[in-house]
Amino acid sequence: EPEVTQTPSHQVTQMGQEVILRCVPISNHLYFYWYRQILGQKVEFLVSFYNNEISEKSEIFDDQFSVERPDGSNFTLKIRSTKLEDSAMYFCASSVGPGQGVTYEQYFGPGTRLTVT
Amino acid sequence: KNEVEQSPQNLTAQEGEFITINCSYSVGISALHWLQQHPGGGIVSLFMLSSGKKKHGRLIATINIQEKHSSLHITASHPRDSAVYICAVWLGGSEKLVFGKGTKLTVNP
Repeated sequence: EPEVTQTPSHQVTQMGQEVILRCVPISNHLYFYWYRQILGQKVEFLVSFYNNEISEKSEIFDDQFSVERPDGSNFTLKIRSTKLEDSAMYFCASSVGPGQGVTYEQYFGPGTRLTVT
Repeated sequence: KNEVEQSPQNLTAQEGEFITINCSYSVGISALHWLQQHPGGGIVSLFMLSSGKKKHGRLIATINIQEKHSSLHITASHPRDSAVYICAVWLGGSEKLVFGKGTKLTVNP
């Protein structure tokens, strides 16, 4: 069964460093998402991406964050200058169709645990 | 105020018991997800529903759009059902999922 994959599973970085989290969505999916979950808290939406552009983002997704689909298969989340408070589990998800009007199920990756020291 | 409220926050059951987890939401939605998160952190989608009822094995999910309420039922619970169960809603006119805080279920043998 097709699945969303994410690499690395765990990333440790120093404050101020740039990190890139990678995701490979399910191949025929068109909508891509990033979520984060700070330890002990609920999952929060960061950004949705369709047709090579951001379609919606949350207030968390500030100028420090960017997303890209560099090669038609990978979907990346970049954090430019990490802060301690960026430590969290980051989940990628994908769905086959648009999120507005007709609603399609999202499939989640296993997550990348980011630790900023 | 949280847009999605789940109850209970924690639930301990004996193997074989019937489990109910509730989700209430305060906003217009286009659909609702029930998700399962295991201790390792990975999230698995159990159901997506916008009306009525869905069943998969021992799991049953119902939704009442008028009352803005959904329930997840587990029949004949088993220790392997121990996980955090999360309700998440698609906001109407939006592309984002809004998540509840989750219900931690522990099923003892």
